[in-house]
Amino acid sequence: AQSVSQHNHHVILSEAASLELGCNYSYGGTVNLFWYVQYPGQHLQLLLKYFSGDPLVKGIKGFEAEFIKSKFSFNLRKPSVQWSDTAEYFCAVRSSGNTGKLIFGQGTTLQVKP
Amino acid sequence: DTGVSQDPRHKITKRGQNVTFRCDPISEHNRLYWYRQTLGQGPEFLTYFQNEAQLEKSRLLSDRFSAERPKGSFSTLEIQHTEQGDSAMYLCASSETGTNYGYTFGSGTRLTVV
Repeated sequence: AQSVSQHNHHVILSEAASLELGCNYSYGGTVNLFWYVQYPGQHLQLLLKYFSGDPLVKGIKGFEAEFIKSKFSFNLRKPSVQWSDTAEYFCAVRSSGNTGKLIFGQGTTLQVKP
Repeated sequence: DTGVSQDPRHKITKRGQNVTFRCDPISEHNRLYWYRQTLGQGPEFLTYFQNEAQLEKSRLLSDRFSAERPKGSFSTLEIQHTEQGDSAMYLCASSETGTNYGYTFGSGTRLTVV
């Protein structure tokens, strides 16, 4: 069965620090990959997605992620975080050809200290 | 149509009661998904509709849960004989079909069973 693993459950950073959140998935076929963010009290919002092509994808708010097929990874990065990035981040995978359901990781809570 | 709407936002119910939630997807989206999210976890897939047809149900969806999408537009999720373990955020998402599509999530219905 497909699964998604996010290595860090809770990350605390100071403003301007660099961020990298790990995400690994288990699925042998073609996948589509997503990162979602959930700000306190708000709904899930798409940060970025990978379908095909350039494995380095850029999203909103300065986030980017790199798809490394050989490592089954899709890590999220941001060079310099802001206090407003405090939120929960979810990695998700969709296997192409099925119903289109997303399988989510357990999430990483990011706390940015001003 | 500004997004996916869910109603109610919050529901408190006594154990054993039945509850029903509603989701109004983006009008041109023919796929609709229900997820459940508990504290500290990522959303878990419950069920999926393509138009009015329910095409997949998770094993998480016990016999007490039923979902409908009678005219291929809005959907309802009913939980009968609620249990404390049903307390969670219930999320709805909709999407188009095709090769490279994303999802729009609603704000969710938070259920508390007391």
